[in-house]
Amino acid sequence: ELKVEQNPLFLSMQEGKNYTIYCNYSTTSDRLYWYRQDPGKSLESLFVLLSNGAVKQEGRLMASLDTKARLSTLHITAAVHDLSATYFCAENSGYALNFGKGTSLLVTP
Amino acid sequence: DAGVTQSPTHLIKTRGQQVTLRCSPKSGHDTVSWYQQALGQGPQFIFQYYEEEERQRGNFPDRFSGHQFPNYSSELNVNALLLGDSALYLCASSFDRGWETQYFGPGTRLLVL
Repeated sequence: ELKVEQNPLFLSMQEGKNYTIYCNYSTTSDRLYWYRQDPGKSLESLFVLLSNGAVKQEGRLMASLDTKARLSTLHITAAVHDLSATYFCAENSGYALNFGKGTSLLVTP
Repeated sequence: DAGVTQSPTHLIKTRGQQVTLRCSPKSGHDTVSWYQQALGQGPQFIFQYYEEEERQRGNFPDRFSGHQFPNYSSELNVNALLLGDSALYLCASSFDRGWETQYFGPGTRLLVL
């Protein structure tokens, strides 16, 4: 059974702190996607990681992929309130995206 | 450049009714996928359309059907609605290049009473 597991599922962190969200997936896919969802809104694409060892950075977010360990990480550096949202990772399963349950991030002053 | 658009934004139906949701893909995209997102969950893949054919389907019953038109827009139909069909229905479009990111529309929130 295809499974994408994210942890933690809930995260409350102070502004200025660093933290990492973990995503374990089950297939041998070499592609992994990260999305952001604000409350009541749709999903916004953050990163597409296409190969083992891929690392991508955008602002305070950095994502990496280890296909051998079937693990992707989303690292948050010096968090700010605007990063409060739910973050999903997804593996590809054929043409479909198979999503994790999401990590709800709350950044507090 | 318009992104993915969906209509309607909200819909209220009663059990047993039928519903049709519509999606226009991002300009230039030829592939449309549909997802169901229950409250507090990640999106679940329903099916994907390419060249007006359903080419992959998730674990959803036959009550869920779809169509893609020559202009790449798509419809999702759900028959015999159940209370459990209440969810946010998301349409995503992409290029047919395998690894391409799927871009999501704003969604249609369906409530079944």
